This record gives sequence, structure tokens and C-alpha cells, in this order.
Amino acid sequence: DAGVIQSPRHEVTEMGQEVTLRCKPISGHDYLFWYRQTMMRGLELLIYFNNNVPIDDSGMPEDRFSAKMPNASFSTLKIQPSEPRDSAVYFCASSTGRWGTDTQYFGPGTRLTVL
Amino acid sequence: AQSVSQHNHHVILSEAASLELGCNYSYGGTVNLFWYVQYPGQHLQLLLKYFSGDPLVKGIKGFEAEFIKSKFSFNLRKPSVQWSDTAEYFCAVNVPSSNDYKLSFGAGTTVTVRA
Repeated sequence: DAGVIQSPRHEVTEMGQEVTLRCKPISGHDYLFWYRQTMMRGLELLIYFNNNVPIDDSGMPEDRFSAKMPNASFSTLKIQPSEPRDSAVYFCASSTGRWGTDTQYFGPGTRLTVL
Repeated sequence: AQSVSQHNHHVILSEAASLELGCNYSYGGTVNLFWYVQYPGQHLQLLLKYFSGDPLVKGIKGFEAEFIKSKFSFNLRKPSVQWSDTAEYFCAVNVPSSNDYKLSFGAGTTVTVRA
């Protein structure tokens, strides 16, 4: 398996623009997670899905952020409008089974810079 | 709220030196514990994990960690580091939350191994 795939790997945009990050989980994994990593706050869980259904989005910073999982092999994280403080590395991860007991497999991340 | 504390922000050591990274968590119930590693420019990957049983856990690349319940600790160790161990190390704790689980990461410890 190719592992968790994320695109783009790097994104540079201007404040106010819409940004869409994409993730393809490992086939057969029924949990998908979106994380954000910054120097100030470390690694934060934004939202996670189980069988394509959002379970907990309490980590989503504000309404400008939204995430979807239209099918088992694809998820998006959208920021609209983007702001400079959204600059971070965004990771997608997937796992199988109850995530309290299973390893999460991380993608390579998308480094987002908002100017 | 669950929190994970990693005592050292940055550790610098020479090859062949021993490494120990501290991790403490603040939850009194049953926990699942993880150490993840992030090599420069790469994604997070699992080093080792503890769910139950022997509190001394062996991981990949010669790493091990010891779960000490009375101290709420899960310290990571390696007897002799190599230059290739230069990376950022994250402790994570998975605890029950409502009808699901929450994964909390520590702030991370950057390890620099000098040749």
C-alpha cells in the first residue's frame, strides 16, 4: 500500500483565498483524522471521521474550517477565507478499528503558508 | 482535561550516548500510550505503543519505553543513539472520552545527535 496520500505537499496562498487540502487514507482503514502542527501549539487534532461520518470536530478552530469525507477513499479540509495564522503543517492520518487501540498512520503533510 | 507533558524541548547529544525522554500524563484511568517519531522532512510514524501487559515495551530501531503507572510516566529510552536518530519525538496518550477516545500529543522533543 502507498500509505496515506496528501496533496498538495506545499501550498502558498494569499490571505482571503480558499484553500483545499486533500487526503487519501490507507485502503481498508475506517478512521480518518486531520491534525494541524505549529510551533506554538504543537500537534492538534482538528476533526476525525469514522466510516465517512464526522465524529468529533471540536478541534476545528472556527467556522472558516470545514472537512468532508464523501467516500471511504477521500477527504478534504477546506479553509475559507484563509488567514496568516492558519499557516501550519496539516497532517492526515488513518487507522483501522477503534482508534483507542490502533496505530495511526500519518501522511506526509501539507505545508500551508498564508501570506 | 487530559494533558501530556514532555519535559525536554530540545536534547543534543553525541553518537553512542544514551537517550532518555520523559513523558508524563494527567489521567488516572486506563490509558494507551504511544511514542511517535518525525524524522526531518518526513511524516510521523509509530515507534512503539503500550496497551497492557509487560510495562517495558520494545519498539523499532532499538527504542524502548517503560510504563510506570504510579508515576503516570512513559519514558522513552535508547542505550546508544546514532546520527540517524536525529528527529522530533512525540509522546501521545489515548484515553476514553464519552463514547469514544481522545488522542493527546505532547509538545514534542527535538533530538539532535552529533556525529
